[in-house]
This record gives sequence, C-alpha cells and structure tokens, in this order.
Amino acid sequence: DAGVIQSPRHEVTEMGQEVTLRCKPISGHDYLFWYRQTMMRGLELLIYFNNNVPIDDSGMPEDRFSAKMPNASFSTLKIQPSEPRDSAVYFCASRRNRDGEAFFGQGTRLTVV
Amino acid sequence: AQSVTQLDSHVSVSEGTPVLLRCNYSSSYSPSLFWYVQHPNKGLQLLLKYTSAATLVKGINGFEAEFKKSETSFHLTKPSAHMSDAAEYFCVVTTDTGRRALTFGSGTRLQVQP
Repeated sequence: DAGVIQSPRHEVTEMGQEVTLRCKPISGHDYLFWYRQTMMRGLELLIYFNNNVPIDDSGMPEDRFSAKMPNASFSTLKIQPSEPRDSAVYFCASRRNRDGEAFFGQGTRLTVV
Repeated sequence: AQSVTQLDSHVSVSEGTPVLLRCNYSSSYSPSLFWYVQHPNKGLQLLLKYTSAATLVKGINGFEAEFKKSETSFHLTKPSAHMSDAAEYFCVVTTDTGRRALTFGSGTRLQVQP
C-alpha cells in the first residue's frame, strides 16, 4: 500500500480564499483523523471519522472549518474563508481499528498571506 | 480523561551515549501507548507501540520503551545515540472514550552532538 496520501503538499493562498485539503487513507482502515500542527499549539486533533461518519469534531476551530468523508477512500478538510492564523501543517492519518497505530500522511503545509 | 505529559521539551546527548525520553500518562482504561518520531519537515513515523502484551516493547532503529503501570510511565530509551536520531519525539495515548482517538504529548526535541 502507498500509505496515507495527502494533497497538495504545499499551499499558499491569500486571506479570504477557500482552501481544500485532500486525503486518501490506507485501504481497509476504518478510522481517519485530521490533525493540525503549529509551533505554538503542537499537534491538535481537529476531527476524526469512523466508517466515514464524523465522530468528534470538537477540535475544529470554528465554523470556517469543515470536513467530509464521502467514501472510505477520500476525505477533505475545507477552510472558508482562510485567515493567516490558519497557517500550519495539516496531517491526515488513518487507522485500521480502535486500538491500532495511526499511519500519517506527509502533511500539507498551508500558508495564508 | 486521558492525558500524556512529556517531561522534557529538549534533550541533548552526545553521539554514542544513551537516550532517555520521559513520558507519563493518565487514563481510566488500560491504554494503548505509542511513540512517534518526526524528522524536520517530515510526517510522523511510528517507533513502537504498547497494546497490553509485553511491558518491554522494542521498536525500530534500536529504540525501546517500558510500560510501568505503577508509575504510569512509558519512557523511551536507546543505548547509543546516532546523529540520525535527532528529531522530535511524541508520546501518544489512546483516549478513554469508546472510539479511542489519539492524544499527543507536547513533544521532545532530541539533539545529538557529535
């Protein structure tokens, strides 16, 4: 398996624009996680899905953030409108079951100017 | 609720000397515990995991960790540091809730001096 695949790897956008981050989990994994990493706040869990259903989105910063998982092989994280404080590295991870390890993608480095 | 505390934000060792990265956790359940490593501008890679089998867990690249329930600790060790070990290390615990999401520690940056 190719692992968790995220796109794009880098995104630079202007404040106010919509940004969509994409993730393809490992086939057969039931869990998908979105994390955000910044120097100030470290790694934060934004939202996670189990069998394509959002389970806990309490980490989503505000209504500007939304995430979907329309099928078992694809998820998106959307920010609309984007703000400079959204600049961070966003990681997607997937996991086969509730006790296993998570496998991380390479991340998307988002810069909002 | 679960939590994980990494006791050192920075650790510096000389090449060839032992490494000790400390982690304490709290959890109402019997947790699963993990150590991940992140090299600069890279994703996170699993080093090792504890899931209620042997308390001494061996991982990749010569790392190991010991689960001590009485001390609620899961410290990461390596007998001899290598320059390539310089990275950020994260201790991770599964959550108490049924779905068992992952809670990350704040990370420990390991420097290896020549």
